[in-house]
Amino acid sequence: DIQMTQSPSSLPASIGDRVTITCRASQSINSYLNWYQQKPGKAPKLLIYSASSLESGVPSRFSGSGSGTDFTLIISSLQPEDFATYYCQQTSSLPSTFGQGTRLEIK
Amino acid sequence: EVQVVESGGGLVQPGGSLRLSCEVSGITFSYYWINWVRQVPGKGLVWISRVSSDGSAPSSADFVKGRFTISRDNARNTVYLQMKSLRADDVAVYYCATGPHWNPSVFQNWGQGTLVTVSS
Repeated sequence: DIQMTQSPSSLPASIGDRVTITCRASQSINSYLNWYQQKPGKAPKLLIYSASSLESGVPSRFSGSGSGTDFTLIISSLQPEDFATYYCQQTSSLPSTFGQGTRLEIK
Repeated sequence: EVQVVESGGGLVQPGGSLRLSCEVSGITFSYYWINWVRQVPGKGLVWISRVSSDGSAPSSADFVKGRFTISRDNARNTVYLQMKSLRADDVAVYYCATGPHWNPSVFQNWGQGTLVTVSS
């Protein structure tokens, strides 16, 4: 199975901050990488697919980049509704696997 | 508006069985693959199983093979996850998620989840 490792696990940040979350795959996954946001008690929400494509309806302050083994999710200017847990997911091969999550917290 | 609704969760004894259902509306159901993902409360996301748009190509994670079976009824816009030999480590919220044909593992629409508790 492909292992996905996110960093950091927890990230204190303030409104307006530019935030970067990274995700590393244990082997090359080309651009088969998605990002999800999950708020407490809610289902995950797709933000980014295929490493850099913004899902319909997702604000443009979210962006993704990377290919191969190293990927990045950037939130350009943090808004109050962005405090949540973020997960990366590889879809290069089954089983599809997720990172352990990055909890974005209010500083 | 796409709606995904899971049902069938609840309390079951170790070794018991449950059948989860996932009903989807607002899309052409027969075009989409359907996945099950679970999450132990407070923990991360784990993919369990998926079924192709026509039901001909089910896949499951190794840790549920032989215990969980996925199927679908396109006439009812519903996917099922039959779970047997349930164990304490199967306790989780089970989510259903749709996947487009171009990459069935892009989970575009999710349900609210259904909680499965395994306890005597």
